[in-house]
Amino acid sequence: GAGVSQSPRYKVAKRGQDVALRCDPISGHVSLFWYQQALGQGPEFLTYFQNEAQLDKSGLPSDRFFAERPEGSVSTLKIQRTQQEDSAVYLCASSLGLAVQDTQYFGPGTRLTVL
Amino acid sequence: LAKTTQPISMDSYEGQEVNITCSHNNIATNDYITWYQQFPSQGPRFIIQGYKTKVTNEVASLFIPADRKSSTLSLPRVSLSDTAVYYCLVGGFSSNTGKLIFGQGTTLQVKP
Repeated sequence: GAGVSQSPRYKVAKRGQDVALRCDPISGHVSLFWYQQALGQGPEFLTYFQNEAQLDKSGLPSDRFFAERPEGSVSTLKIQRTQQEDSAVYLCASSLGLAVQDTQYFGPGTRLTVL
Repeated sequence: LAKTTQPISMDSYEGQEVNITCSHNNIATNDYITWYQQFPSQGPRFIIQGYKTKVTNEVASLFIPADRKSSTLSLPRVSLSDTAVYYCLVGGFSSNTGKLIFGQGTTLQVKP
């Protein structure tokens, strides 16, 4: 069955470039999460969508990070003027409903390297 | 959300049972305990979730004592393919968004 997919799987950017990372959640899943995972660390929460509404963006590290989910399905995480400290794996997860204990299904992640 | 403490790493051999214990002294009444597994270059994968006592599925068992201040993930008869990082998470109604708070996890190395 189709799981969460993310593209691209790998992205190399020069410092100062803008990047856009895409997440295709499992069809019908209401909730969508973005996480950032640095090397050797656990994932850290960035932002949360319930359908198209961004209800929590408390984890976004700076105003260079922007996420959207305009139609309540596909989501894009955009990073403007990338910096070396943005290098990490960006994970997307979706869950079926609105219950906070609903299982989150993760995609494979996008590995971003900023040179 | 409640902070969790788990061993950084563990070693085991194929065929053995592995128990990974997680401490969560400040767990809230409405918090669930969830374990995820992560292989290199993959996203975390849900293993098991519980609230109290014991939960068992086809992959693992989760033991939660009455005070709920700790939990133990039990993996029966591990194989080389169980080598991964295991995360213990605590959260639930105390977070109105369901966001997961990951620690560093436990790196399990299964040897032949």
